[in-house]
Amino acid sequence: AQRVTQPEKLLSVFKGAPVELKCNYSYSGSPELFWYVQYSRQRLQLLLRHISRESIKGFTADLNKGETSFHLKKPFAQEEDSAMYYCVLRMRNFNKFYFGSGTKLNVKP
Amino acid sequence: KAGVTQTPRYLIKTRGQQVTLSCSPISGHRSVSWYQQTPGQGLQFLFEYFSETQRNKGNFPGRFSGRQFSNSRSEMNVSTLELGDSALYLCASSLGGDRGLVGTGELFFGEGSRLTVL
Repeated sequence: AQRVTQPEKLLSVFKGAPVELKCNYSYSGSPELFWYVQYSRQRLQLLLRHISRESIKGFTADLNKGETSFHLKKPFAQEEDSAMYYCVLRMRNFNKFYFGSGTKLNVKP
Repeated sequence: KAGVTQTPRYLIKTRGQQVTLSCSPISGHRSVSWYQQTPGQGLQFLFEYFSETQRNKGNFPGRFSGRQFSNSRSEMNVSTLELGDSALYLCASSLGGDRGLVGTGELFFGEGSRLTVL
């Protein structure tokens, strides 16, 4: 069965510190992985997708198939990064998404 | 472009009743999917509609159903409500792809309909 695990419910870091939000998945096929973010009083929105291999707002994420991980990283956290982050898996060729439980990132001044 | 619109935003029902929630997708989006969000279970996929057909389904009982109209607007219905159905119901639209393709995976979410079952 497909599953996405985000082990940290809450992650607090100081501004300027590096941040890593962990995500592990289980899926027997070839997955597509995404990070979605929800800022305070805003809608859930796409942050980045593994297939694009891009950096968005300074965040990057690398799909590690050997470790079945897709951790989200940023070298220097900013206060405006404070939000709820969801790791999401989509089964290839199906528009069906599996969400992790989410990690709340709190960046302190 | 107008975003995804969900109505009603809040509603209160009692056990045994039924409820219908509505979702208007972004213009041009043909895929509409529904999610249930609860503190205990997080975000769970209910179903996805594409061109008026249910294309994917999650693991929810048959009390949860949906449909999509020719203008891509979608409704979901929950019959015989239970206390555990209290949740935020989110709708998301996407281009959805075609001819076996499923699009880029970018979902555009509505603000949700918060259902309380008493």
